[in-house]
Amino acid sequence: GAGVSQSPSNKVTEKGKDVELRCDPISGHTALYWYRQRLGQGLEFLIYFQGNSAPDKSGLPSDRFSAERTGESVSTLTIQRTQQEDSAVYLCASSAGPSGMDTEAFFGQGTRLTVV
Amino acid sequence: DQQVKQNSPSLSVQEGRISILNCDYTNSMFDYFLWYKKYPAEGPTFLISISSIKDKNEDGRFTVFLNKSAKHLSLHIVPSQPGDSAVYFCAASDWVETSGSRLTFGEGTQLTVNP
Repeated sequence: GAGVSQSPSNKVTEKGKDVELRCDPISGHTALYWYRQRLGQGLEFLIYFQGNSAPDKSGLPSDRFSAERTGESVSTLTIQRTQQEDSAVYLCASSAGPSGMDTEAFFGQGTRLTVV
Repeated sequence: DQQVKQNSPSLSVQEGRISILNCDYTNSMFDYFLWYKKYPAEGPTFLISISSIKDKNEDGRFTVFLNKSAKHLSLHIVPSQPGDSAVYFCAASDWVETSGSRLTFGEGTQLTVNP
């Protein structure tokens, strides 16, 4: 498709289980971002990829969170041993390049994660 | 350390009037600023942007103003329409030698336009 695609759109998981969230960015976009939005809060930065490398992982809230990107395309965000506070909408965005107009990021619809 | 701040969590205006959404930032290295709009259950969508070399950018009913000395930008919507009701996020980017560019978002402002 032409836009950023995320899957699944909804995920309900039991506390303590691992989950994987997938993001397919716009073809050719080198930059990829993961954010999350908890209920009633703003966008919280998690991690940023330029190509396949992640120069900025400063937003990952704990070592239970990890992300990878392969082929300068698909990215997977993995949350191990999920906790209830991980419940949020996880948003992926991609942009064409590092500066100026290329910085404009296009967002996916998000994955709503609920940990019960 | 919140580098981009939207101090008003909500704003309510009458249809036809002007909506002014404000955003403050602390990082003087930010060189590009963007506004995004987000409807419930959807991802944010790009609305309008401005480069740090400009002080105004206009697109239809939407105008963004940048005051670099005050580290402040604002989004004006004139005239406001009920369909503009959404959460508006301010974002800023800078380019760092070691890590490339990164978008930093504010907390968002919920705009409600009343008919």
